[in-house]
Amino acid sequence: DAKTTQPPSMDCAEGRAANLPCNHSTISGNEYVYWYRQIHSQGPQYIIHGLKNNETNEMASLIITEDRKSSTLILPHATLRDTAVYYCIVIRGSTLGRLYFGRGTQLTVWP
Amino acid sequence: DSGVTQTPKHLITATGQRVTLRCSPRSGDLSVYWYQQSLDQGLQFLIQYYNGEERAKGNILERFSAQQFPDLHSELNLSSLELGDSALYFCASSPWPSGGAYNEQFFGPGTRLTVL
Repeated sequence: DAKTTQPPSMDCAEGRAANLPCNHSTISGNEYVYWYRQIHSQGPQYIIHGLKNNETNEMASLIITEDRKSSTLILPHATLRDTAVYYCIVIRGSTLGRLYFGRGTQLTVWP
Repeated sequence: DSGVTQTPKHLITATGQRVTLRCSPRSGDLSVYWYQQSLDQGLQFLIQYYNGEERAKGNILERFSAQQFPDLHSELNLSSLELGDSALYFCASSPWPSGGAYNEQFFGPGTRLTVL
């Protein structure tokens, strides 16, 4: 699976958009980009995933660059409850279900 | 609430002992995964079961073993415990066996193991 690089920490004001970047320059054609988050010591929570196209759901939007070497997770209106560690994970189509979590980005939303 | 339950929430034991952690997946989910989260190693995949069969193995020590029962609940057995085994142990479940487009996993609240 391709390696990912994320900034160790970011912060954001409540109500503003949080844009979390992820670099995955070695991604190959059949690898998906997944985002999970972990609120302090709770179990990780799935947010969104994509292959090539931008994706949106009720939690977030995922923007993948045309060359697929990087992506951005967007939380459109961050709240204090969005304070968490966000993990960007690249998964091969044939991967046997395992998730490899790196160190992620600690997002702190301040009032 | 993800629908995945784990017991116990906390476990304190001594070095050399053996413990069993239990996981009940979401109703209908056939895959169960175990992960270990320690301060120095982060979240690490241990093992996956699908419908009772071992499907994939990660960085699981030989002192650790797991199984998935016919009712789909799973147990993780940790033996000859060492101080370094102190960690949060998470179980996750999903309806699918594997696959890039099918990796949404639902995590339980975890079991915090402390080895003294």
